[in-house]
Amino acid sequence: AQSVTQLGSHVSVSEGALVLLRCNYSSSVPPYLFWYVQYPNQGLQLLLKYTTGATLVKGINGFEAEFKKSETSFHLTKPSAHMSDAAEYFCAVSYSGGSNYKLTFGKGTLLTVNP
Amino acid sequence: EAQVTQNPRYLITVTGKKLTVTCSQNMNHEYMSWYRQDPGLGLRQIYYSMNVEVTDKGDVPEGYKVSRKEKRNFPLILESPSPNQTSLYFCASSSLGRGEFRGYTFGSGTRLTVV
Repeated sequence: AQSVTQLGSHVSVSEGALVLLRCNYSSSVPPYLFWYVQYPNQGLQLLLKYTTGATLVKGINGFEAEFKKSETSFHLTKPSAHMSDAAEYFCAVSYSGGSNYKLTFGKGTLLTVNP
Repeated sequence: EAQVTQNPRYLITVTGKKLTVTCSQNMNHEYMSWYRQDPGLGLRQIYYSMNVEVTDKGDVPEGYKVSRKEKRNFPLILESPSPNQTSLYFCASSSLGRGEFRGYTFGSGTRLTVV
């Protein structure tokens, strides 16, 4: 069964500092990988996705993630944090086989940005 | 605007009183799914639908029903709600894009409290 592990349920950074949110997945077949962001009292918004092709993926709001198959990782980064980045971030995996394009989510990482 | 619309946003109900949470998408997506989000448990899939009249169980289907009579609508039905169904519910949809999964578009969520 596929699973997703997000290291650190809570990450705190200073404004302007590097943001690094970690995600490792387990999948026996090539995965589709996603990062979503959830602001308070809102739904989940897609930040970026890896399906095929280039392993460095750029998303919205200056975020990017790199798919590393050898490490089964898909860490999310942003060079300089902004106060508006404070939210909960979810890594998710799906795979191309089967009839259910189910997304399996990690437990989430709450990002706090300090002034 | 492309979107997934859920109603209601908030609902407080009593044990045993049947309710329906509606979900509608305007993107002509084939795939739709329901998730619930609970603290410490993350997001878990309840039901999904690959197309009209094609539905199947996700990971936590007990106590829920769905139907897909039209492509745009995918209501979630709780025949006899119980307090353990108190949760934040999300509807999501996706195009299957000639076999490439592109990730979900989520609704804004329905916060359900069963007393």
